[in-house]
Amino acid sequence: DAGITQSPRHKVTETGTPVTLRCHQTENHRYMYWYRQDPGHGLRLIHYSYGVKDTDKGEVSDGYSVSRSKTEDFLLTLESATSSQTSVYFCAISPRGEGQETQYFGPGTRLLVL
Amino acid sequence: QQQVKQSPQSLIVQKGGISIINCAYENTAFDYFPWYQQFPGKGPALLIAIRPDVSEKKEGRFTISFNKSAKQFSLHIMDSQPGDSATYFCAAYNQGGKLIFGQGTELSVKP
Repeated sequence: DAGITQSPRHKVTETGTPVTLRCHQTENHRYMYWYRQDPGHGLRLIHYSYGVKDTDKGEVSDGYSVSRSKTEDFLLTLESATSSQTSVYFCAISPRGEGQETQYFGPGTRLLVL
Repeated sequence: QQQVKQSPQSLIVQKGGISIINCAYENTAFDYFPWYQQFPGKGPALLIAIRPDVSEKKEGRFTISFNKSAKQFSLHIMDSQPGDSATYFCAAYNQGGKLIFGQGTELSVKP
């Protein structure tokens, strides 16, 4: 998985609790992304980062926040988890730049919100 | 305009047959079109990709056909094998730096 780890790999939580997912890379890539995957929707971008402390919203950012204090770590926080946020979450990294559009994905975190 | 539409949702093919998955897009600014393969419990992995200045790209049994005027591209898997059974996603890269994914196709290759 291209030097990407995600933690935890599985989590069960209750509605209303905060949840933080971690993505860690060893590739020193500039760009990092958080996606969610749901049946029939493919992968949808939540937030992404283009450098330390530089982040921007994606297609489905409501209810999520992110932080990136180091190049290698990108955190996704669900401020107050809801059942609609039950999903599989994937982190991706990319070097970007000319001819470097490919994104490499981590193994995913399966989140169940009860 | 940012959508990528993928079909079919699911596909069953006999071993040795050809699997064909189609995608269509609207935004002519897309300039990179990758296909990802995903096995259960794993993250998507890049399979093959094409740029709009070529009409076809082949890597082993996998071929992308690209029709710029129709704004369509497709993945062909020749001599399909049970090990090819996976979910396949097409995607398009916009100049804003984001990948837009299709909805996915679940391929099952029967022995």
